Amino acid sequence: DVKVTQSSRYLVKRTGEKVFLECVQDMDHENMFWYRQDPGLGLRLIYFSYDVKMKEKGDIPEGYSVSREKKERFSLILESASTNQTSMYICASSFEVGVGGEAFFGQGTRLTVV
Amino acid sequence: KNEVEQSPQNLTAQEGEFITINCSYSVGISALHWLQQHPGGGIVSLFMLSSGKKKHGRLIATINIQEKHSSLHITASHPRDSAVYICAGDTDKLIFGTGTRLQVFP
Repeated sequence: DVKVTQSSRYLVKRTGEKVFLECVQDMDHENMFWYRQDPGLGLRLIYFSYDVKMKEKGDIPEGYSVSREKKERFSLILESASTNQTSMYICASSFEVGVGGEAFFGQGTRLTVV
Repeated sequence: KNEVEQSPQNLTAQEGEFITINCSYSVGISALHWLQQHPGGGIVSLFMLSSGKKKHGRLIATINIQEKHSSLHITASHPRDSAVYICAGDTDKLIFGTGTRLQVFP
């Protein structure tokens, strides 16, 4: 079974804290993605990575950074958490994009910033 | 205007009804994905299609490339089909619709 595993299902952090969300996939996929999901807005792409140490900004990168030191792990970092970053964060991975490769999703991390 | 749009946003049905969810896109895509998300659950891939039609159990997905339109059909709907259904266009990244919340009542 393909697995995309996110380190936490639920997380509560204080405003101003540095937050790390971890995602690990076990299928040797090159492509990994971080999305946030908000009611009425659907999934919006924050950052993605095509390879180790490579990263590309998505549609809403402000306030976030990422790290991909190993192929299987893609971390999302909130440098200084704010209440408007309260959301569901979903990690995904795929072998190919742009050519119809299947995508696999993590269970999501529901982050609340207080 | 969103590049991938779904309709309806919300849908309620009685058990046994035939259900259709529509997805239109305005960008060039190599494939279209249909995804399912149960309340409190993760997102799972139902279909990935670039032409024609695919069927899996009671679920059928079709795509019309010329019209840039795809539909997801559920035959003989059941309460366990209650979920959010999301379509996504595959470009160099996935572009998601905002989802259709389906509730099927017994």
